[in-house]
Parts: sequence; C-alpha cells; structure tokens
Amino acid sequence: EPEVTQTPSHQVTQMGQEVILRCVPISNHLYFYWYRQILGQKVEFLVSFYNNEISEKSEIFDDQFSVERPDGSNFTLKIRSTKLEDSAMYFCASTPHRRGGETQYFGPGTRLLVL
Amino acid sequence: GQQVMQIPQYQHVQEGEDFTTYCNSSTTLSNIQWYKQRPGGHPVFLIQLVKSGEVKKQKRLTFQFGEAKKNSSLHITATQTTDVGTYFCAGRENSGGSNYKLTFGKGTLLTVNP
Repeated sequence: EPEVTQTPSHQVTQMGQEVILRCVPISNHLYFYWYRQILGQKVEFLVSFYNNEISEKSEIFDDQFSVERPDGSNFTLKIRSTKLEDSAMYFCASTPHRRGGETQYFGPGTRLLVL
Repeated sequence: GQQVMQIPQYQHVQEGEDFTTYCNSSTTLSNIQWYKQRPGGHPVFLIQLVKSGEVKKQKRLTFQFGEAKKNSSLHITATQTTDVGTYFCAGRENSGGSNYKLTFGKGTLLTVNP
C-alpha cells in the first residue's frame, strides 16, 4: 500500500538555524498538508497546499514558515529561524482529491528538537 | 475560531471492558474523522462521518455523529490490548468556514490492562 514518507526521522538543530523537513506524498495525491504535534499534545494544522500554492494556513504558520513543492514528488516545510518552541513532531499528510472530507494519509513524522 | 473538545483525556480499562470517548465542536461540522495514534506513531485514519445522526461500525468500534453535527463519539466494545493508543477526533467546519483544515481534539489516551 502506498505511503507518505518523511525525512529525516529526527532533526536536532540550534536555535536560530534553518531547517527543511521533507515529505514525499502518495504519488497520485493532489492535496498536501503539514501538521505539528508538540509532545503529549494534540495535532495542530499548519498549512494546506494545492496546485502549487498555499490554500489555507493557520495562525501558527507565520513568516518563519514556508512550504514548497520543488519537483513532482517532494513537499517541503522550511523553518527559517528556529525557536525553542518549534520543537515538535511534524507530520506531512496528503489526500487524493479536493477538499470535502477525504481521508488524510499521514507520514511517520519528523521529530524536531531545537536546542 | 473553531474548537474541538474531547473527553476524557485519559482512560484506563481492564481488558474486556468497554470504552467511550466523546468529541464536541464549538461549530457545526461538515464531517468528522477519527484517528488512532499508537505511542510513538502517527495518526492513522479510522473512519469519517458525514451525515447527521450517522452511525458506523467497524468490528468492535462504533462511531456516532450527532444530529446537530456538533458532537461525535467512539465506543469500543470489549477492549483488547491492541486497542491501546490515543484516539483523536478531527472536525472540518461546515461550508462557509475552513474547507481544508482539520481541527483535532486533544485526544483520549486509552490504556488497557491485560
């Protein structure tokens, strides 16, 4: 069964450094998402992406964050200048069709630790 | 903004006992999804409810969507140790609001004593 993959599985970085988290969504999917989950807390929506542009973003997704689909397969989340509070598990997800209740297939996540 | 509340936060049961988690939204939902997350794992889709008053069953799991489409529940009959994990509800607002964003509840962590 096709899966969403994410790299790296773990990332440790110094405060103020830039990080890029990578995701390969399921190949025929059209909608892509990033979520984060601070340890022990709920999953929080960051951003959705369709047709090479952001379709929606949350208040968490400020100017420090950006997303990109640089080629036909990868979907990246960049944090320009990491803060301690950015430490979390970041999940990528994808859905095959347009909005309206499609199942979101989550990747295994990248655990980001900012020191 | 939309809020999704879920109770209880934790539930510990003996194997064989039943378990229920409840989800309430501050706004009417177009649909609600349920996910299970094993410790250290990622959310895995269980089911989606769309219609008012809808009830769906998956083996020992029963999912309900309220008549007003603002609340939902997940009931597990005769829990097993494999049911351990955190169960999240996630709602999508009715049209006119967000169409892409899923708002997750805080989840209910279920532990099962063998």
